[in-house]
Amino acid sequence: SSEVTQDPAVSVALGQTVRITCQGDSLRTYYANWYQQKPGQAPVLVIYSKNNRPSGIPDRFSGSSSGNTASLTITGAQAEDEADYYCNSRDSSGTGVFGTGTKVTV
Amino acid sequence: QVQLQESGPGLVKPSETLSLTCTVSGGSVSSRIYYWSWIRQPPGKGLEWIGYINYSGSTKYNPSLKSRVALSVDTPNNQFSLKLTSVTAADTAVYYCARTGGVIAPNGYYFDYWGQGTLVTVSS
Repeated sequence: SSEVTQDPAVSVALGQTVRITCQGDSLRTYYANWYQQKPGQAPVLVIYSKNNRPSGIPDRFSGSSSGNTASLTITGAQAEDEADYYCNSRDSSGTGVFGTGTKVTV
Repeated sequence: QVQLQESGPGLVKPSETLSLTCTVSGGSVSSRIYYWSWIRQPPGKGLEWIGYINYSGSTKYNPSLKSRVALSVDTPNNQFSLKLTSVTAADTAVYYCARTGGVIAPNGYYFDYWGQGTLVTVSS
């Protein structure tokens, strides 16, 4: 399966904007999705199919993509946004793939 | 509201078979739109997709586990299950079941509802 890589950690000041990126060849063809995971909890879908937010997800979360890179942007980060973030997609063989994860510190 | 709940032994001996069941409520495993996946996360590590099954029993597995994995669906009981054979300590992880959307390209599979996860430890 294709590898999808993320920066291990990023930090952002309260109220500022942070962008988390995800790179992989499969992202040239297939949309990325993004998950937020807090300690001891199951992941929560925050963006799907490139830039769609599930019901209940604040609009400060947005997604975009260019070439082999997908991005999750948090505009006006809040303390509760501190978490691990994972991207995921699929590859050409139909295998689901997850990114390596990014720890966001607010 | 769709809810998923994993169940099964929390401790499995090396070389034996790990068996878990996911019970779905508020939705149907017979859905033609959504598939049903298993995902795992070793302690302190990232997420790994194990595979999915759909309403008709069609499956897709992660090649890294394909020789040891089998998924099945129980439509009358609205459940789907995971069997992983010949387990080792490397299979120790929190195992999640999840509803899977975006199965039609160019969507990448997305997982919109998750179970709470169940820790399975492989140890003698």
